[in-house]
Amino acid sequence: GENVEQHPSTLSVQEGDSAVIKCTYSDSASNYFPWYKQELGKGPQLIIDIRSNVGEKKDQRIAVTLNKTAKHFSLHITETQPEDSAVYFCAASPPEEFSGGYNKLIFGAGTRLAVHP
Amino acid sequence: DSGVTQTPKHLITATGQRVTLRCSPRSGDLSVYWYQQSLDQGLQFLIQYYNGEERAKGNILERFSAQQFPDLHSELNLSSLELGDSALYFCASSTLPGGGYTFGSGTRLTVV
Repeated sequence: GENVEQHPSTLSVQEGDSAVIKCTYSDSASNYFPWYKQELGKGPQLIIDIRSNVGEKKDQRIAVTLNKTAKHFSLHITETQPEDSAVYFCAASPPEEFSGGYNKLIFGAGTRLAVHP
Repeated sequence: DSGVTQTPKHLITATGQRVTLRCSPRSGDLSVYWYQQSLDQGLQFLIQYYNGEERAKGNILERFSAQQFPDLHSELNLSSLELGDSALYFCASSTLPGGGYTFGSGTRLTVV
């Protein structure tokens, strides 16, 4: 089955710096790659996603890149702010025969990002 | 408020007991997913339901079971609880196939 590895497990940056989190996946059939942000005491919140037919997607200070050949994708946060501090999870979605497209997500282990003022 | 409602928010129970966690998906969402998040760990997929039918199963223990009712709410039943079952349990729902989904705020289960 699909396996997602995420690095680094912790990341500490100064406010205004950029942060990059990288994930690799094992199942070449996976076709959807979302990123979630989880703040303390809350559920994960979708912040950006990318599909396998797109190489890059940007939303203000957040961007995601996908390299299908290498089976890895990355989250880039520019001009980091203290409120970006949270745990970030990447995920991959392998298609399944009977799911009708409503596929489960396989998550990476998470990256704890700390942005220091 | 994400639109996915989970109850209760906190649950403390003893080993050997049985509990039921409840999830109401966003209005119109047919698919419900359950995940377990142990302390400082990632999200482990447990089980998925779509319009009342089980669609996918992850590493869900035999002591755990779930169902989705005609009104689309779902329940996760955990029995013969062990200390290691202490975790956050999240429910998520999705509307569109092949799309991201929305998580609830979770139920924190503590087994003592």
